Amino acid sequence: GAVVSQHPSRVICKSGTSVKIECRSLDFQATTMFWYRQFPKKSLMLMATSNEGSKATYEQGVEKDKFLINHASLTLSTLTVTSAHPEDSSFYICSASPGGQADVEQYFGPGTRLTVT
Amino acid sequence: SQQGEEDPQALSIQEGENATMNCSYKTSINNLQWYRQNSGRGLVHLNLIRSNEREKHSGRLRVTLDTSKKSSSLLITASRAADTASYFCATAPLNKFYFGSGTKLNVKP
Repeated sequence: GAVVSQHPSRVICKSGTSVKIECRSLDFQATTMFWYRQFPKKSLMLMATSNEGSKATYEQGVEKDKFLINHASLTLSTLTVTSAHPEDSSFYICSASPGGQADVEQYFGPGTRLTVT
Repeated sequence: SQQGEEDPQALSIQEGENATMNCSYKTSINNLQWYRQNSGRGLVHLNLIRSNEREKHSGRLRVTLDTSKKSSSLLITASRAADTASYFCATAPLNKFYFGSGTKLNVKP
């Protein structure tokens, strides 16, 4: 089946620094990828839709200047948490599907656990 | 949640028993999907049921969909300790992907 990777799997950073998380589709092209955030014991919250070659679409309440998304190729989307604060600590997950549609089976990365100290 | 609610929020059963999880959603859909998440991990796709389908079976899993009530259920029969995980329904209105609030299932050996 299709494989999506994420890097890094865990990152600890100091408050005020920026952190970049990569999401790659390893064996298919994805014009669209989705980024989610998950708090402990909670569901996944869609943060933004990453579109190859164009601007990301952010969900209501998600700061686009805080969470920068770049989808520069058909296999790579990056999420940069800028000027991170402890409240940004969370589990970040991406998903993608061949063809980029939303209403088909999504393939998920293994997630990135961000801890901001 | 962004799309809907699931109940129960948590379910604890003995191995061998059946587990039923319910999901309600808010908007019209083309299909509804169920995913499983082991603690602190990514998600695994379990099933996709289309809006014109009422029931699907896959091994020990049975999924139902009632579009008139905007609800779905996931039944796991003859549960095993390895089924312990969180289960989420998901829909994709307007080409975005939203999850329900999830059910945390604990199967005791």
